[in-house]
Amino acid sequence: SYVLTQPPAVSVAPGKTATITCGGNDIGSKSVHWYQQKPGQAPILVIFYDSDRPSGIPERFSGSNSGNPATLTISRVEAGDEADYYCQVWDSSSDHLVFGGGTKLTVL
Amino acid sequence: QVRLVQSGAEVKKPGASVKVSCKASGYSFTDYYIHWVRQAPGQGLEWMGWLNPKSGDTTSVESFQGRVTLTTDTSITTATMAMSGLRSDDTAVYYCGRSIRPGAGLDVWGQGTTVTVSS
Repeated sequence: SYVLTQPPAVSVAPGKTATITCGGNDIGSKSVHWYQQKPGQAPILVIFYDSDRPSGIPERFSGSNSGNPATLTISRVEAGDEADYYCQVWDSSSDHLVFGGGTKLTVL
Repeated sequence: QVRLVQSGAEVKKPGASVKVSCKASGYSFTDYYIHWVRQAPGQGLEWMGWLNPKSGDTTSVESFQGRVTLTTDTSITTATMAMSGLRSDDTAVYYCGRSIRPGAGLDVWGQGTTVTVSS
């Protein structure tokens, strides 16, 4: 089965840039989606199809998938960005969705 | 306003069954897939399966096959996840979410339903 690998934790100072990676076999050939989840809340979609932002998501959030790994970048990080972030792809060979293990973003 | 509203928390004994419902509103119910995702305490997101309300087709993770049934009632725009043979490691928050196609992101999620399995 397809596996997505994320670092367990990333720390960043306020105002700086956070980069969260998502690795997988030939991930550049897949569409990657990213979710933000705060404690006690349902996930919300922050990036879809590698680099598109849903309405209401700040421009500070961006994504890239030009190779391995795919990345989620959060510019000018704010305290309110502290959350768990998950990447997700659809494995067409199995018709299954796959989530990465999640990355806890800490704002110092 | 697009919403997915799930049923309330459940407490079950090992071996019992549970049903979690997901009521959709604010959009054409049959135009979007419904996914089920669970999250054990302190753990990550685990995809369980999806259902196409238009066709009734379903796909689920092999480890759940035989224990999980995904259904939909289009007349009341509600999807249901039923799980049998509950074990303590099924204790989790269960979410429904929608996507326009299997490969698209889940753009709307339900609020989650806590299922606790304990003797």
